[in-house]
Amino acid sequence: DQQVKQNSPSLSVQEGRISILNCDYTNSMFDYFLWYKKYPAEGPTFLISISSIKDKNEDGRFTVFLNKSAKHLSLHIVPSQPGDSAVYFCAASGTSGSRLTFGEGTQLTVNP
Amino acid sequence: EAEVAQSPRYKITEKSQAVAFWCDPISGHATLYWYRQILGQGPELLVQFQDESVVDDSQLPKDRFSAERLKGVDSTLKIQPAELGDSAMYLCASSFLAGDTGELFFGEGSRLTVL
Repeated sequence: DQQVKQNSPSLSVQEGRISILNCDYTNSMFDYFLWYKKYPAEGPTFLISISSIKDKNEDGRFTVFLNKSAKHLSLHIVPSQPGDSAVYFCAASGTSGSRLTFGEGTQLTVNP
Repeated sequence: EAEVAQSPRYKITEKSQAVAFWCDPISGHATLYWYRQILGQGPELLVQFQDESVVDDSQLPKDRFSAERLKGVDSTLKIQPAELGDSAMYLCASSFLAGDTGELFFGEGSRLTVL
């Protein structure tokens, strides 16, 4: 039962353009969502998060949008840079402090 | 900069052998997690500690996996006997806040290959 799903295994964009990574979830009890970035041979690092009481959170070039009715969130990176090339994981948790459930990840490649 | 330390980085073993992974979380982080990441999948929680107590081990295959955090600081994850399907990256993470709504800090992971 995949409760957090990232349907695109990979995404390729040109430097300077927008990268949009998508994530869908099925568990309506999830109310906190996070994005992690992972470079090869390293552990995931936290990027940005959003609570279900918000529909948008912005941090520099990174913006996360949450559509609760559609159970969908997305990560926008503008402008994309070659250093952004990594695997991006979407994750979700519930109010009870239950486990963090991760999606399968999307490999982003930003071409110079 | 404080970080989560894990060892070994790489481990190759034959099936039916025992393996152990060690993790030292960021100082002051009471919550420690062990995740398993199979290639092409997202990390999956195996066990979560709050101080020295296990708060969630529902996804830990207890017939072969064990985890301990005796003094509430560093932790060991053991697999005995290892099976081919255990080949994966084993990630340790810690957080200051209890529960998963806080940011997790991950170590670099221990990559296990079972032959």
